[in-house]
Amino acid sequence: AQSVTQLDSHVSVSEGTPVLLRCNYSSSYSPSLFWYVQHPNKGLQLLLKYTSAATLVKGINGFEAEFKKSETSFHLTKPSAHMSDAAEYFCVVSDSEYGNKLVFGAGTILRVKS
Amino acid sequence: NAGVTQTPKFQVLKTGQSMTLQCAQDMNHEYMSWYRQDPGMGLRLIHYSVGAGITDQGEVPNGYNVSRSTTEDFPLRLLSAAPSQTSVYFCASSPGTSGSYQETQYFGPGTRLLVL
Repeated sequence: AQSVTQLDSHVSVSEGTPVLLRCNYSSSYSPSLFWYVQHPNKGLQLLLKYTSAATLVKGINGFEAEFKKSETSFHLTKPSAHMSDAAEYFCVVSDSEYGNKLVFGAGTILRVKS
Repeated sequence: NAGVTQTPKFQVLKTGQSMTLQCAQDMNHEYMSWYRQDPGMGLRLIHYSVGAGITDQGEVPNGYNVSRSTTEDFPLRLLSAAPSQTSVYFCASSPGTSGSYQETQYFGPGTRLLVL
């Protein structure tokens, strides 16, 4: 069965400092992994996705994530945080067994201090 | 393209009332699904459909019904609302081709439901 663990429920950074949001996954098959962002009272927007091509994936707004099979991790990073990055971030997994059915992590709320 | 649209944006119900949450997409996607979002739990799959006339249960289907008579629409029905169904509901769609687990899913703006 699939599962996703987001290791931090809240992360606080200062503007201009690096961002690291941690995600570990479990999947019996080759997974696809996604990061979605949700700004307050808004819908979900795809930041990036991994689908068995390059292990380092670049997304929108300067975010990137690295798929590490040996560590079953897919951590999200950004070199320099901006105030507009304050939001909730979800790590999501799917695989060939479950098809389109997505399994979400519990979410990480990112706070950016000025 | 409007993408995925949901109505209403916000609804208040009394316990025992029924209602239908509407979801529509104009991208000719075969796959559509409903999720509920609760604090600290991420999103959980309620029901999904791989095409018109085909629906199946997700992780938390109890208390909800769906049908898919057209490719465009996928309504979610609450038969007898309970306070435990207070949540934010999201509809999503994707093309639904083979290798579908790699597809990006597109989410609607959500419906916020309060059951008193």
